[in-house]
Amino acid sequence: GENVEQHPSTLSVQEGDSAVIKCTYSDSASNYFPWYKQELGKGPQLIIDIRSNVGEKKDQRIAVTLNKTAKHFSLHITETQPEDSAVYFCAATFTGANNLFFGTGTRLTVIP
Amino acid sequence: DVKVTQSSRYLVKRTGEKVFLECVQDMDHENMFWYRQDPGLGLRLIYFSYDVKMKEKGDIPEGYSVSREKKERFSLILESASTNQTSMYLCASPPPGTRTDTQYFGPGTRLTVL
Repeated sequence: GENVEQHPSTLSVQEGDSAVIKCTYSDSASNYFPWYKQELGKGPQLIIDIRSNVGEKKDQRIAVTLNKTAKHFSLHITETQPEDSAVYFCAATFTGANNLFFGTGTRLTVIP
Repeated sequence: DVKVTQSSRYLVKRTGEKVFLECVQDMDHENMFWYRQDPGLGLRLIYFSYDVKMKEKGDIPEGYSVSREKKERFSLILESASTNQTSMYLCASPPPGTRTDTQYFGPGTRLTVL
């Protein structure tokens, strides 16, 4: 069935280091892959997304890469700052589905 | 800016009570979703609605019902609350014409059932 796996579940990095979160998906026809950031006490907010016709997308310190052959996509945060501390969710569409399917989340802690 | 609001940030209810969670969006979107968020399980879809009075079950509809009498408002109903329904509930709405594209989320309602 449809599945999105996300790793790691927790990640601690020193301020200024990079953080990488990885997700794999099960449907080779999936074509939309958003990433959400959820800060404490708030709902998830879209931070970046990628569609299946591109392999990489960057927005300042955040980038997402997509490997369609291997069916995985990754979030890369460079020069991490304490305000990057949050829970991050990946998601993917699946053929015939009416909704996004979400990963289980990664709690990122940036240590000052 | 799309705005999705939820009626309560925190709720405490007793087992057996009927609970209403309200969600309102101000962008005339046709699709609205209710998710439940639990640690280690991510976001799981309870119900969604694609138009007024139209609804479809998601992955975990048991114990829940929904109501959509007006386009801007989507209500989640716990007919008889149970302790295993203690959770964070998130409402979301994507842009018009899509169900599987970007979701705009509300701030969430943290429900505790005692």
